[in-house]
Amino acid sequence: AQSVAQPEDQVNVAEGNPLTVKCTYSVSGNPYLFWYVQYPNRGLQFLLKYITGDNLVKGSYGFEAEFNKSQTSFHLKKPSALVSDSALYFCAVREPGANNLFFGTGTRLTVIP
Amino acid sequence: EAGVAQSPRYKIIEKRQSVAFWCNPISGHATLYWYQQILGQGPKLLIQFQNNGVVDDSQLPKDRFSAERLKGVDSTLKIQPAKLEDSAVYLCASSPRDRTDTQYFGPGTRLTVL
Repeated sequence: AQSVAQPEDQVNVAEGNPLTVKCTYSVSGNPYLFWYVQYPNRGLQFLLKYITGDNLVKGSYGFEAEFNKSQTSFHLKKPSALVSDSALYFCAVREPGANNLFFGTGTRLTVIP
Repeated sequence: EAGVAQSPRYKIIEKRQSVAFWCNPISGHATLYWYQQILGQGPKLLIQFQNNGVVDDSQLPKDRFSAERLKGVDSTLKIQPAKLEDSAVYLCASSPRDRTDTQYFGPGTRLTVL
């Protein structure tokens, strides 16, 4: 069975500092991995995905994520955080051949001015 | 392009009442999804449509939840009768037929059951 863990409910970072939001997964076979962001009173927005190929994936708004198969991780990163990055971030996984995304519980990122 | 539209945005009902949510996906998107997001949790898939056919409804509580997409475009999700534990945000998403890995979400409907 597929599962996703986001070990931190809350991450605080100062504006301009690098940020990392952690995600680990468990899936049968090669995973499809995703990051979505949710701003207040808005739907989830797609940030980036890993299907195959280069382990470092670049996405929207300057975010990137690194797929690490040995550690079963897919951490979200950004070199320099903005106050506007403050939001709820969800990691999701899909098994090959499966229909649906399985989401983690989310990490609330707060960027402090 | 216009995004996924959902209505209403908010709904408050009493337990045992019925409620319906509406979703209009992005034009041309063949696949439509309904998710339930309970406070503090990630979204959970309820049902997935490909055009007007159901692909996956394994996590839909069929004794009280129903959904349809009769013409393969917009969709409705109904709860009858509602329970307190149905309080959640109901998200609709859509994706193109050839890019089902990327889902586009609507703003959601926040349901409160009293």
